[in-house]
Amino acid sequence: GQNIDQPTEMTATEGAIVQINCTYQTSGFNGLFWYQQHAGEAPTFLSYNVLDGLEEKGRFSSFLSRSKGYSYLLLKELQMKDSASYLCAGGGNKLTFGTGTQLKVEL
Amino acid sequence: DTAVSQTPKYLVTQMGNDKSIKCEQNLGHDTMYWYKQDSKKFLKIMFSYNNKELIINETVPNRFSPKSPDKAHLNLHINSLELGDSAVYFCASSQELRSEQYFGPGTRLTVT
Repeated sequence: GQNIDQPTEMTATEGAIVQINCTYQTSGFNGLFWYQQHAGEAPTFLSYNVLDGLEEKGRFSSFLSRSKGYSYLLLKELQMKDSASYLCAGGGNKLTFGTGTQLKVEL
Repeated sequence: DTAVSQTPKYLVTQMGNDKSIKCEQNLGHDTMYWYKQDSKKFLKIMFSYNNKELIINETVPNRFSPKSPDKAHLNLHINSLELGDSAVYFCASSQELRSEQYFGPGTRLTVT
């Protein structure tokens, strides 16, 4: 079966760092994706990890540990526009999405 | 230039009606998808096509029928609409089955 778990909500302060965790159990694994979805908009691709370790892309980084079935998305220097839902997705030929972590960035 | 487009953006219709949603991508991708996102924001795959061939067909009522006339288009036809079909439907595409997906703007379907 497919199971993706992530926290429902998080709140952080502008300028701070926040880490959004994701654990997964999937039949077949071809990598772990992170997507960002603003309210009323489509999901947009943020990052992809297929090997263990940290992938850095500007203010956003994503980490994967395949042996632990664990990933996190790290957002640095938070801005108000980062307030959105962050979706973790993984699986084999078929992607299973988590329910998303609603991040609220406050002043 | 819109990469993945869907029409219509909003669709309000009555129970029992039949409706279609169209999707087009100009990215040259081989794979296209339909997702349903319900009121709890859970994004669930419905169908996937690769080079016009159906490769993923989740447990979706057979009232839903996808059609891919060519690699750049994937349409979704829904018969006998029910209240529970109300959701946002997203089309997406990717270069291949396991690569990152690009989503259309979504179609908000409301069945009354």
